[in-house]
Amino acid sequence: DIQMTQSPSSMSASLGDTVTITCLASQDIGKYLNWYQQIPGKSPKLMISGATDLADGVPSRFSGSRSGSDYSLTINSLGYDDEGIYHCHQYYEYPFTFGSGTKLAIE
Amino acid sequence: QVNLLQSGAALVKPGASVKLSCKPSGYPFTDFYIHWVKQSHGKSLDWIGLIDPNSGSTNYNEKFKNKATLTVDRSTNTAYSELSRLTSEDSATYFCARWGVLRSGFAYWGQGTLVTVSS
Repeated sequence: DIQMTQSPSSMSASLGDTVTITCLASQDIGKYLNWYQQIPGKSPKLMISGATDLADGVPSRFSGSRSGSDYSLTINSLGYDDEGIYHCHQYYEYPFTFGSGTKLAIE
Repeated sequence: QVNLLQSGAALVKPGASVKLSCKPSGYPFTDFYIHWVKQSHGKSLDWIGLIDPNSGSTNYNEKFKNKATLTVDRSTNTAYSELSRLTSEDSATYFCARWGVLRSGFAYWGQGTLVTVSS
C-alpha cells in the first residue's frame, strides 16, 4: 500500500497568517493527490484535486503544489473558518490511502 | 442536488455485528461507485472499500476484508456496510462517499454514522 506521511500533526496559527501542510508519498503517485478540509463535527470537504486544482467554490486563498513526491497545501490570509483537520488522499491506486491528518487551530 | 443520507448512531456489544446504510439521492444510483471510509479518534481516515451499485462488484482494502461486507439494494437505492465481530477498535465514525464528476475526488459525503462498541 502507498503510505502518505503528513506533517505537521497539529499546528496553531494567527488570523491572517500563511500556513503550509505537507504530504510525502512512499512512491510515485503523479498528480493523483487530493486535499480535504474537515470542520469539527462535519464530513470532509474536497478542497484541492489533482494536486493543484481548486475544487468548486473553494477560495483562492487555498493552493496546492507538488515537487516530486512531496505535496503541499498552502492557506493564505487565515480566517477562523479555516480551523479544522486537513487530510491528504492518494487515488493513484487501490487501496486509496490518506495521510494521518493535520489539526489546524487559529489563535 | 446530490445527497448521501446515512443511518443513525449505533451502540453495539463486542462480538456483535452492525449494518450501516447510505441512501444517495439527486442522481441515478447505479451511475457511481459508493465508497466507505472509517474515521478513528476523530482524526485519521481509512478507506474501507467500494461497491459498484450497477453490478454489485466490490473492491476491499485488505485491512477490512474480514471486517466489512459491502452490499447494495437496487430496489431501494441503498448501499450497506455490515461490520462483523465488533471490538473496541471498530468504534469510529463511518462515512459513505461518492466521486465527483468534474473533479477527481470524494466530492460528496454522507453525514457519517458513529458506531460505539461497548458492553
